[in-house]
Amino acid sequence: GESVGLHLPTLSVQEGDNSIINCAYSNSASDYFIWYKQESGKGPQFIIDIRSNMDKRQGQRVTVLLNKTVKHLSLQIAATQPGDSAVYFCAEMGGKLIFGQGTELSVKP
Amino acid sequence: EAGVAQSPRYKIIEKRQSVAFWCNPISGHATLYWYQQILGQGPKLLIQFQNNGVVDDSQLPKDRFSAERLKGVDSTLKIQPAKLEDSAVYLCASSLGPGEETQYFGPGTRLLVL
Repeated sequence: GESVGLHLPTLSVQEGDNSIINCAYSNSASDYFIWYKQESGKGPQFIIDIRSNMDKRQGQRVTVLLNKTVKHLSLQIAATQPGDSAVYFCAEMGGKLIFGQGTELSVKP
Repeated sequence: EAGVAQSPRYKIIEKRQSVAFWCNPISGHATLYWYQQILGQGPKLLIQFQNNGVVDDSQLPKDRFSAERLKGVDSTLKIQPAKLEDSAVYLCASSLGPGEETQYFGPGTRLLVL
């Protein structure tokens, strides 16, 4: 069936560096994509979204890039901080929200 | 603005017992979702309500799981009887409704079936 997957299960970065988390999706009909952050013991927290008619969207310290040609989504976090440590999920909307497995981001002080 | 509320936060039961989870969505949100999140995986949709009607329950194991949203506001999810493989976090989320797809999640209920 359709699925959303992540290239790397874990990512370790130094505090202050930029982080890039990647995601591949398989449903070419999906028209809405969301990145969620999930800290231990908490529910997923909305970070940023993008629609299929865009290829880039920026928020505060975060940027999402969408490449529909290769069905690839990425989340860039600028100046990564210890508070950014969490599991990050990409999710696609093609009728219903389908989540990928998640990437665990670890920030080293 | 208050977020999505869920209770209890934790529950431990033995297999074959029953359990119920409660969710109160963000005020004014017409759409409510229940997800199951197994450790190490992303959330998986169990059921979606639009007001008090079911939109999608295709992934709900209906032989043991049931959910209701009788007045179109809060909702309960029940498992009866529970199996070991039901151990997971049960997340509730809500969104404004059609055309407003951003879902906001509650803290979840962590269920352990022994």
